[in-house]
Amino acid sequence: QKEVEQNSGPLSVPEGAIASLNCTYSDRGSQSFFWYRQYSGKSPELIMFIYSNGDKEDGRFTAQLNKASQYVSLLIRDSQPSDSATYLCAGRGSNYKLTFGKGTLLTVNP
Amino acid sequence: GAVVSQHPSWVICKSGTSVKIECRSLDFQATTMFWYRQFPKQSLMLMATSNEGSKATYEQGVEKDKFLINHASLTLSTLTVTSAHPEDSSFYICSAARGLGETQYFGPGTRLLVL
Repeated sequence: QKEVEQNSGPLSVPEGAIASLNCTYSDRGSQSFFWYRQYSGKSPELIMFIYSNGDKEDGRFTAQLNKASQYVSLLIRDSQPSDSATYLCAGRGSNYKLTFGKGTLLTVNP
Repeated sequence: GAVVSQHPSWVICKSGTSVKIECRSLDFQATTMFWYRQFPKQSLMLMATSNEGSKATYEQGVEKDKFLINHASLTLSTLTVTSAHPEDSSFYICSAARGLGETQYFGPGTRLLVL
């Protein structure tokens, strides 16, 4: 069974700190990985995606992918209270379907 | 942009009735749309994948006769929950993609409560 695992948290960081969110996956056939942010009661919104080993930066966000370790992470620099949300990691396999982790709840304290 | 809308945003119905949820891609043509369900404090679970003009493909354990999906145009897919029961109460979210391997953009979701 294809699984995506995330630490459920909650993860709490002070404002201005770096938040580190981690994800592991079991399906070696997964080709792309997505990070979504979901505010309480809302649907997910795409933050960024990554499909090559290494780092990918977009503003305050950096996604990291290590296919050998089957590990994906998201770093949020200069965390803001508005970043407080549940972060969902998803892997996309050869069948183009997304498999989501359960999400990590992040709280950024002012 | 890539905007996806859903209607209604929430619905309350009596047990045994049917509920239709619409998913629209507003500024792009969506060849593929996906329907997910999310229970409280759980992750999104894919229910089915629909391609315009063809029958939907359902995930294992999802009853296709209970959850009817129609993808009649490149901008509209509908999910009908037939004979809804309280256990069908959930947050239903659609996503749309320009193509099967393209990025999915999510609608705002429809919260269903069956009494």
